[in-house]
Amino acid sequence: DVQMTQSPSSLSASVGDRVTITCRASQNIHTFLNWYQQKPGIAPKVLIYSASSLQSGVPSRFSGSGSGTDFTLTISSLQPEDFATYYCQQSYSTRSFGPGTKVHIK
Amino acid sequence: EVQLVESGGGLVQPGGSLRLSCAASGFTLSHYYMSWVRQTPGKGLEWVATINQYGDAKYYVDSVKGRFTISRDNAENSMSLQMNSLRAEDTALYYCARDSAWTNGYFDYWGQGTLLTVSS
Repeated sequence: DVQMTQSPSSLSASVGDRVTITCRASQNIHTFLNWYQQKPGIAPKVLIYSASSLQSGVPSRFSGSGSGTDFTLTISSLQPEDFATYYCQQSYSTRSFGPGTKVHIK
Repeated sequence: EVQLVESGGGLVQPGGSLRLSCAASGFTLSHYYMSWVRQTPGKGLEWVATINQYGDAKYYVDSVKGRFTISRDNAENSMSLQMNSLRAEDTALYYCARDSAWTNGYFDYWGQGTLLTVSS
């Protein structure tokens, strides 16, 4: 099974900040890596698929990079609506999610 | 508009059974893999099971193998999760999700979730 880890588990940031979240897979998953945003009481929403492809309708301030075992989600300029929890998820071998990164308001 | 609506959640005693359903609309169900994903209250996401377009390939997380069965009825635009031998650790909000593909796929649409509580 592919295990996913994320860092940090939480972070505090201000509107306008550049935010970076890291995801690591326990084995090579090529670019079979997706990122989701979840707000309280709402189902997750896909932001990035295949490591770096922006889902339709998602603002361009979100970007993803990486391949193999190390991946990054970057928010170039944090907006008020971006305070949420972010999860990575691999689809190389069945599916599994990372534990999440909660982005708080500083 | 793509819509996924889960139903069937509730309170069940340990060792009991329950069947969750997912009603799909706004797209052709037979074209897509479909999955169940669960979330423990206040915790993270866990993939549970996936079924292919035809219903003849099914995949499960190890913790539910032999206890849960995923199925689908494309003619009725629905998917189900039969859950047997339920445990306290199965308590979670269960989401139905459309899976864009099996290899390199992602969950592009989600339902609102249905809550399962396993407790005596």
